Amino acid sequence: QQQVKQSPQSLIVQKGGISIINCAYENTAFDYFPWYQQFPGKGPALLIAIRPDVSEKKEGRFTISFNKSAKQFSLHIMDSQPGDSATYFCAASMDTGGGNKLTFGTGTQLKVEL
Amino acid sequence: GAVVSQHPSWVICKSGTSVKIECRSLDFQATTMFWYRQFPKQSLMLMATSNEGSKATYEQGVEKDKFLINHASLTLSTLTVTSAHPEDSSFYICSARGPTGSNQPQHFGDGTRLSIL
Repeated sequence: QQQVKQSPQSLIVQKGGISIINCAYENTAFDYFPWYQQFPGKGPALLIAIRPDVSEKKEGRFTISFNKSAKQFSLHIMDSQPGDSATYFCAASMDTGGGNKLTFGTGTQLKVEL
Repeated sequence: GAVVSQHPSWVICKSGTSVKIECRSLDFQATTMFWYRQFPKQSLMLMATSNEGSKATYEQGVEKDKFLINHASLTLSTLTVTSAHPEDSSFYICSARGPTGSNQPQHFGDGTRLSIL
């Protein structure tokens, strides 16, 4: 049973546009929601993360929006650049009692075109 | 900070051999390390959780005798794929995090591409 659903599977955005990736989770015990960026042949790199006590977190061009009641969270990439072209994974974990194991979404392949 | 080094980055070997992959936390002590497997264009699947000084905890469906994990120090965990076969070919990635309760995120290595001929 997949606990974190991610959409879209792939996304093409023009340079300077906004990239939006959505995730939904089922387990209400999750209390940590990170986003990872992965380039081909590399391991995932932590981009930004949020906890359920806030509805939004912004770091540079990256923003996480979190809706606890809907059990959804999304990543917004403002002013998207060709260098942002990568695969993005949302994830969720439980810090307490869950061993901090990450459950990953299925990934979104982002391509930013000139 | 928070650098995780994985070695080797790529290995090709014959069917039936055993392959060891190392995961090191270079600038922090990792009480917990995780091992993942990733197939092309797919997500990361957790194989096992490794705690320093204790036996690893394997996810359902992962053969512990096939994938041996050792976490002998706070900076090193190893994954040994025993008697590897072509179906074991995959991208193996480790991650490491600091002490429990410190709200430390997982930091990933750059993965090991394993190809079994």
